[in-house]
Amino acid sequence: GAGVSQTPSNKVTEKGKYVELRCDPISGHTALYWYRQSLGQGPEFLIYFQGTGAADDSGLPNDRFFAVRPEGSVSTLKIQRTERGDSAVYLCASSPGTGGSPLHFGNGTRLTVT
Amino acid sequence: TQLLEQSPQFLSIQEGENLTVYCNSSSVFSSLQWYRQEPGEGPVLLVTVVTGGEVKKLKRLTFQFGDARKDSSLHITAAQPGDTGLYLCAGRVIQGAQKLVFGQGTRLTINP
Repeated sequence: GAGVSQTPSNKVTEKGKYVELRCDPISGHTALYWYRQSLGQGPEFLIYFQGTGAADDSGLPNDRFFAVRPEGSVSTLKIQRTERGDSAVYLCASSPGTGGSPLHFGNGTRLTVT
Repeated sequence: TQLLEQSPQFLSIQEGENLTVYCNSSSVFSSLQWYRQEPGEGPVLLVTVVTGGEVKKLKRLTFQFGDARKDSSLHITAAQPGDTGLYLCAGRVIQGAQKLVFGQGTRLTINP
């Protein structure tokens, strides 16, 4: 498809488990972002990639969160030892990477930690 | 601390009324964007403003960037039920920067 694709759309996991969330950006977009959105709130910045490298990971809440983009396209957000407070919608967005360009968002992965 | 403060956080009005949503900050932004988000979907861009004092119109929606580039407003004329959604402002603090920070959103409900 032409848009940003995120899988799975829903993920339920038990506290303490490890999860991976996947993002397929729009083809040719060099910039990729991860955001976290709690119910009724705006998206909270987590990390931004330019190509394969994490250009800004200042939003990652702690070392249980990690993200990779090994070939400069698909990205995976990894959460270790999940906690109930990690429950949220995780949004991925991509952009052409030029200054000021808009973000194109996927529909998100709803993560529920029980 | 929220870099971008939106007000009101919730607004419920009748079809046909006018409304204004505000986005304020103590920081100067090189550009500011407005997005709209529907339930179960990601935010979708409505407009980008880059020049202090700039006004952009999108049908019944009017967007304004403050002269000092610290604030913005969204005005909707003759609101319709289809305008219902979460409206988000988002800004870049540094010229050419890619990191985009969002406000907490304004949840707008237009009642028929």
